[in-house]
Amino acid sequence: DVKVTQSSRYLVKRTGEKVFLECVQDMDHENMFWYRQDPGLGLRLIYFSYDVKMKEKGDIPEGYSVSREKKERFSLILESASTNQTSMYLCASRAATEAFFGQGTRLTVV
Amino acid sequence: DQQVKQNSPSLSVQEGRISILNCDYTNSMFDYFLWYKKYPAEGPTFLISISSIKDKNEDGRFTVFLNKSAKHLSLHIVPSQPGDSAVYFCAASPTFINNNDMRFGAGTRLTVKP
Repeated sequence: DVKVTQSSRYLVKRTGEKVFLECVQDMDHENMFWYRQDPGLGLRLIYFSYDVKMKEKGDIPEGYSVSREKKERFSLILESASTNQTSMYLCASRAATEAFFGQGTRLTVV
Repeated sequence: DQQVKQNSPSLSVQEGRISILNCDYTNSMFDYFLWYKKYPAEGPTFLISISSIKDKNEDGRFTVFLNKSAKHLSLHIVPSQPGDSAVYFCAASPTFINNNDMRFGAGTRLTVKP
């Protein structure tokens, strides 16, 4: 079974904090993704990576950065958390066909 | 500008009837399409996919139809069951090497009434 694991299910952070969301996959997939899900907006792509140390901006990269030092791990970084980054964050990994998702991290910025 | 659009935020059907969920896309570079199902507080789970070389793919109660000229796809669920109640997301992807990203629609909330 493919497994994509996100480090936290729920997080509460203060405005201005630096926040790290971690994602690990065990299937040796080249491609990894970070999305956020908001009501009425669906899943919006923040960043994706097709190889170690490679990254591409998605549709809403502002306020975020990513790191992929190892193939199995893809980290999303909120440089200075703001209340409009309160959301459900979903990580996914993919070879060539379907993507597999983690369970999601519900982040609340207060 | 959303490249994948699901224009119906919600759909309600009776158990045993057909559910039809629709999706449109704008990017002609997309050639692989997927449907996902999502329950609250969980990650999306893969349902079914279709490549642009086909116009139909079937898996049990789920069938996806692709109309490339109209840039439209649909998911048919027959017969619908109460356990199918969830949010359904359509996704699209190009299949270039080094550009394998996926874009999702806004989702359609399906409610199947007993």
